[in-house]
Amino acid sequence: SQTIHQWPATLVQPVGSPLSLECTVEGTSNPNLYWYRQAAGRGLQLLFYSVGIGQISSEVPQNLSASRPQDRQFILSSKKLLLSDSGFYLCAWSESGKQTEAFFGQGTRLTVV
Amino acid sequence: AQSVTQLGSHVSVSEGALVLLRCNYSSSVPPYLFWYVQYPNQGLQLLLKYTSAATLVKGINGFEAEFKKSETSFHLTKPSAHMSDAAEYFCAVSGGGYNKLIFGAGTRLAVHP
Repeated sequence: SQTIHQWPATLVQPVGSPLSLECTVEGTSNPNLYWYRQAAGRGLQLLFYSVGIGQISSEVPQNLSASRPQDRQFILSSKKLLLSDSGFYLCAWSESGKQTEAFFGQGTRLTVV
Repeated sequence: AQSVTQLGSHVSVSEGALVLLRCNYSSSVPPYLFWYVQYPNQGLQLLLKYTSAATLVKGINGFEAEFKKSETSFHLTKPSAHMSDAAEYFCAVSGGGYNKLIFGAGTRLAVHP
């Protein structure tokens, strides 16, 4: 069966520091991968998606970037965090080539102080 | 473009009462629709999905939803609420290709004795 791992679970970082959140998927190949952000009391906003190694699409302009160095690895990064980057970040995957649901990781609670 | 509107950011019911969470969608193509549940500080878990087959969809934990094209609705129901149903519920539509999900703002369900 497929599993998705996301870490760390919580992170407190000072303003201006770098960020790296990692997500890996097991049990499938060539998945579509996604990073979503959930701000307090709001729905989920898609930040990035990837349909293959090295292929990244950004949905909203922001202080963050994403990379996919391996087929089942998706990384969310920032060079310098802003207070507004605080939130709950969720990685997700779905099967490529068919219209279907997405499966989510457990999320990372990021607090920028 | 696709969009989702969830009516009621907070819903409160008594244990054993009917649960009704409302979702209306907008889509220029036949939609794929989903309901997800989120417990505090966790990822999203798929409750059920509509993928153009039967209009009445049954999901996990006794939940079901009915797709009504004429009303552009996909409301979530459960005949009898349980304390463990207290969580946040998100309706989503798949749009823009690559299984990208567009979420509603969410409805927080409280269940009281």
